[in-house]
Amino acid sequence: GAGVSQTPSNKVTEKGKYVELRCDPISGHTALYWYRQSLGQGPEFLIYFQGTGAADDSGLPNDRFFAVRPEGSVSTLKIQRTERGDSAVYLCASSLAAQGEQYFGPGTRLTVT
Amino acid sequence: DAKTTQPNSMESNEEEPVHLPCNHSTISGTDYIHWYRQLPSQGPEYVIHGLTSNVNNRMASLAIAEDRKSSTLILHRATLRDAAVYYCILWGGSNYKLTFGKGTLLTVNP
Repeated sequence: GAGVSQTPSNKVTEKGKYVELRCDPISGHTALYWYRQSLGQGPEFLIYFQGTGAADDSGLPNDRFFAVRPEGSVSTLKIQRTERGDSAVYLCASSLAAQGEQYFGPGTRLTVT
Repeated sequence: DAKTTQPNSMESNEEEPVHLPCNHSTISGTDYIHWYRQLPSQGPEYVIHGLTSNVNNRMASLAIAEDRKSSTLILHRATLRDAAVYYCILWGGSNYKLTFGKGTLLTVNP
């Protein structure tokens, strides 16, 4: 079946611009996670959704970052006033239940120039 | 979160077994030991997990020390497609987020 998909695969934007990154989880998976991975590091947790609500957003670095999942399926990670330090690969994962095996998408590589 | 320690890198030859170690001396009784791997330019993928007993699946085997303070991921016959970063992660209780370290970069030589 279809895995987790993320669009776009690559995004280049100028400093100060707004970007949206999309995640399509596996159908039926109620839990959705966003992670961020900098070069040479392991992924770092950003936010976790259970259904439509953000159950834990403690990993979001600051208030420029926001994520939504209005219908409990597709999620969008939104970054305002992008900074060069936001450049990273943004990974989305989904799981059938909160503590189940997580299935990751291929990521979106964000480059802020 | 309990911490894991892995070697930065390891090297293997194709079709030979590979033993990837992980130390987790502060593991709690409810922590499962999970392994994920990340192939180049891809997201991480689940490999295997266990609690106390050794585990086998189609991808690998997991050997867990009797005191649970260390574990070893075993790839029985490494292939070039197994070249990846392997992450050992403790996960349990009410935890839902994965806490990744830097993992072990496995290089497989032809």
